[in-house]
Amino acid sequence: AQSVAQPEDQVNVAEGNPLTVKCTYSVSGNPYLFWYVQYPNRGLQFLLKYITGDNLVKGSYGFEAEFNKSQTSFHLKKPSALVSDSALYFCAVRVFASSSASKIIFGSGTRLSIRP
Amino acid sequence: NAGVTQTPKFQVLKTGQSMTLQCAQDMNHNSMYWYRQDPGMGLRLIYYSASEGTTDKGEVPNGYNVSRLNKREFSLRLESAAPSQTSVYFCASSRTHEGSYEQYFGPGTRLTVT
Repeated sequence: AQSVAQPEDQVNVAEGNPLTVKCTYSVSGNPYLFWYVQYPNRGLQFLLKYITGDNLVKGSYGFEAEFNKSQTSFHLKKPSALVSDSALYFCAVRVFASSSASKIIFGSGTRLSIRP
Repeated sequence: NAGVTQTPKFQVLKTGQSMTLQCAQDMNHNSMYWYRQDPGMGLRLIYYSASEGTTDKGEVPNGYNVSRLNKREFSLRLESAAPSQTSVYFCASSRTHEGSYEQYFGPGTRLTVT
């Protein structure tokens, strides 16, 4: 079955340290992959996406993500975490509902907590 | 440029009451979506409209109806609210539905059904 998984409910990192939020996927065809961030009492905001091309994608707020086809992963990374990065992060992937219809499905979310 | 707007922000209903959640976008997007967000379950798609004049069921459509009023507006109706529909509802839009374009989300409606 086509799916997207975020194996960690919560990630805790000290400010200034690098952070990684994990995402793995299972889709048929070429994957279209997205990361979104949700701050408290707000809607989701788009961070970055991978459609094709360079496996390292750069996005908003200094975040980047690495597409790894062999490991079917699309982990979100940042070299140096800020307290303001604390939020809920969602990975999303395009899946095919039929031969001509596609939809986006979201992972269950990972809560990132950055301690000062 | 307001992006995606939703009304109301909060609503409390009694079981059996009806209501309509309104959504509008000013980005000239073709596709619009309604999601619900529940703790530990991420976002689940209720209905979507790939383009003006079309609507399709998502993952959890039971108990809901939608109307794509025009290109800008996409409403979600609960005909007879149930406690299981207590959730946060998000509207979103994207340029097209084919999947390569990101979605833009509204601020959400927090609905409680007692």
